Amino acid sequence: ETGVTQSPTHLIKTRGQQVTLRCSSQSGHNTVSWYQQALGQGPQFIFQYYREEENGRGNFPPRFSGLQFPNYSSELNVNALELDDSALYLCASSLGGDPFGSPLHFGNGTRLTVT
Amino acid sequence: QKEVEQDPGPLSVPEGAIVSLNCTYSNSAFQYFMWYRQYSRKGPELLMYTYSSGNKEDGRFTAQVDKSSKYISLFIRDSQPSDSATYLCAMRGNAGNNRKLIWGLGTSLAVNP
Repeated sequence: ETGVTQSPTHLIKTRGQQVTLRCSSQSGHNTVSWYQQALGQGPQFIFQYYREEENGRGNFPPRFSGLQFPNYSSELNVNALELDDSALYLCASSLGGDPFGSPLHFGNGTRLTVT
Repeated sequence: QKEVEQDPGPLSVPEGAIVSLNCTYSNSAFQYFMWYRQYSRKGPELLMYTYSSGNKEDGRFTAQVDKSSKYISLFIRDSQPSDSATYLCAMRGNAGNNRKLIWGLGTSLAVNP
């Protein structure tokens, strides 16, 4: 069974730039969620994709957007980066279309630093 | 008051000790309770998933839920240095806005050989 994989592992960007993070879901999982985890905090829900459609969103501005592809892999795009966007970005896969209905299986995250 | 409170620690124990990790919550609608373990530079890993009140055991780990007190616990028996990690609780309800998963801040645990 292949777990959730994310790329890149680390990234440094400048304020105002745009970034794309990638995620491959666990084998057999059709739902992908993205979370932001600041240092010393629990994960904060950004949004979820099921069948290539966004079907749940947390309190994040529209400059956070995403995609899900037919093979269930996903991208997180962040435009106009701000210093506060510096965090660990986690991708989690699960079964079913309910944003919170089944246990989440996380990747190891992408550490984004905005300078 | 935060919906979920978790002491961030750090908690330091000798190898072999029994560890008790706890979270309190304020929303009586919460019914699903989870414990995740997160090693440094890794994503959270699901340890325990329980519904409503009661106990659940898996190897050296026992999860307890006391809904009357709004209090959940994770016990680790015979703790090992490999248990050194941050432990996050997460919980949610069953309907409407309560379905959103709410996370604690995590408790940092160090098990010393």
